[in-house]
Amino acid sequence: QVQLQESGPGLVKPSETLSLTCSVSNDSINDYYWSWIRQSAGKGLEWIGRIHSSGATHYIPSFKSRVTVSIDTSKNQFSLQLTSVTAADTAVYYCARGFRNGATILDFWGQGTLVTVSS
Amino acid sequence: DIEVTQSPSTLSASVGDRVTITCRASQSINSWLAWYQQKPGQAPKLLIYEASRLQSGVPSRFSGSRSGTEFTLTITSLQPDDTATYYCKQYMIYATFGQGTKVEIK
Repeated sequence: QVQLQESGPGLVKPSETLSLTCSVSNDSINDYYWSWIRQSAGKGLEWIGRIHSSGATHYIPSFKSRVTVSIDTSKNQFSLQLTSVTAADTAVYYCARGFRNGATILDFWGQGTLVTVSS
Repeated sequence: DIEVTQSPSTLSASVGDRVTITCRASQSINSWLAWYQQKPGQAPKLLIYEASRLQSGVPSRFSGSRSGTEFTLTITSLQPDDTATYYCKQYMIYATFGQGTKVEIK
């Protein structure tokens, strides 16, 4: 079955850019929607946004000015960039696969990676 | 923004009990609601989508229902392995998670 694995720095300085990559294995990245979600003690689970293998993106309004999700179908990977981070962006970040029909139903998840924003 | 409000925040029940968790949406979301189970240190796991459709591989003791903007997750016979936090999530517009319900065994 499909597996997802997040990777990236575990520590980011305030005002800098958080960058994470999700590697997808055991299935093609094509034809699916791929999401980023984060979980913090303060705000619980937050869906950040998603990308289709075609490159179409959707972002939740509260993140829209700071977030970019991109995809590399040749590498079977997709990525998250979150700019101008603050301590409030400290969270476990998950990548997940969404249903082919476009509904944000997340059936496979990565294990999550903790990102701490601190100087 | 569509908000989803879960209750209770915690519940304690005995093995074999019937357990019910409720999620209320701030506006109509049709049946665009999913339920997830999260155990400590793990990612959430999809249990139910479209309010009542059981995800493949999920035990049949889990079920979901809808009445207007109120949604219910029911575990018909609580098992020790069901100790977890459960989240509802609307996906009518973007996606918004509920605050979670922690289920413990007495």
